[in-house]
Amino acid sequence: EVQLVQSGAEVKKPGESLKISCKTSGYKFSDYWIGWVRQLPGKGLEWMGIIYPGDSDTRYRPSVRGQVTISADKSTSTAFLQWSSLKASDNGMYYCARQRQIGASNSWYDVDGFALWGQGTMVIVSS
Amino acid sequence: VLTQSPATLSLSPGEGATLSCRAGQSVINYLAWYQHIPGQPPRLLIYDASKRAAGIPARFSGRGSGTDFTLSISSLEPEDFAVYYCQQRLNWPWTFGQGTKVEIK
Repeated sequence: EVQLVQSGAEVKKPGESLKISCKTSGYKFSDYWIGWVRQLPGKGLEWMGIIYPGDSDTRYRPSVRGQVTISADKSTSTAFLQWSSLKASDNGMYYCARQRQIGASNSWYDVDGFALWGQGTMVIVSS
Repeated sequence: VLTQSPATLSLSPGEGATLSCRAGQSVINYLAWYQHIPGQPPRLLIYDASKRAAGIPARFSGRGSGTDFTLSISSLEPEDFAVYYCQQRLNWPWTFGQGTKVEIK
C-alpha cells in the first residue's frame, strides 16, 4: 500500500527555521515526482514546488524561490520542505503529494496529476 | 489565470452540479480537477480534462479543451459537498483556480 505520512504540527516564532517531512512507502521513491501544496488561512490551494527524487530535479513557484528548500532523501524515501527563516505569512497547512503514475518521461511536463497525498502538516508561526 | 464559477453552488443531495473553469489562455487539455473537504487532503478527480482518476465514481465527469472546462456531478451524494479546484499543468508554476464551494441547500 502506498502511503505518504507527514510530520506533525509545528508552532514556531518568526525568524526560526523549520523542516517538515513526508515519509513515503509502498513504491519506488525515486521514480515519482513529489509536490508540496499549501493552503494559507482562508485561501485556496497553491503549488509551492515539486521534486523528482531520482535526480533531485526541483522546480519552485517563483514567489517562494529562495524562501523555502525542497529536498528528498532516497535512503529514507522521505521528502522535505524547509524554511531558514519563517514569517507570519507562512502560517498554513502544507500537503505533500505523489504523482499519479509514472509519465512518458521524467519531465515535470509529463506529470498529469497527484493522486496520493499526505495528511497535511499545520505550521503556525506566531510571536 | 484560472477563473472558476460560480464561487458557491447551493444544491440538494440528488441534484446535478456543473462547475466551470476558464483559463486566460489555452491550456490545451492539461487540466485537472481536485475535491477538497476541510480537514482532509485534496483528492484528484479528473486529469487531462476528462480522464477519471482511479477509484473516482462515474457520477464525476470532466470535459473541455483550450480555455473552457466543466466538471459535472450527475447526482450529488452527501460526501460530495466540498470545494472543487481546477488546476493547469501546461505552464510552470502550475496554478489552481480559486475554487467553487458546493454547499448543501
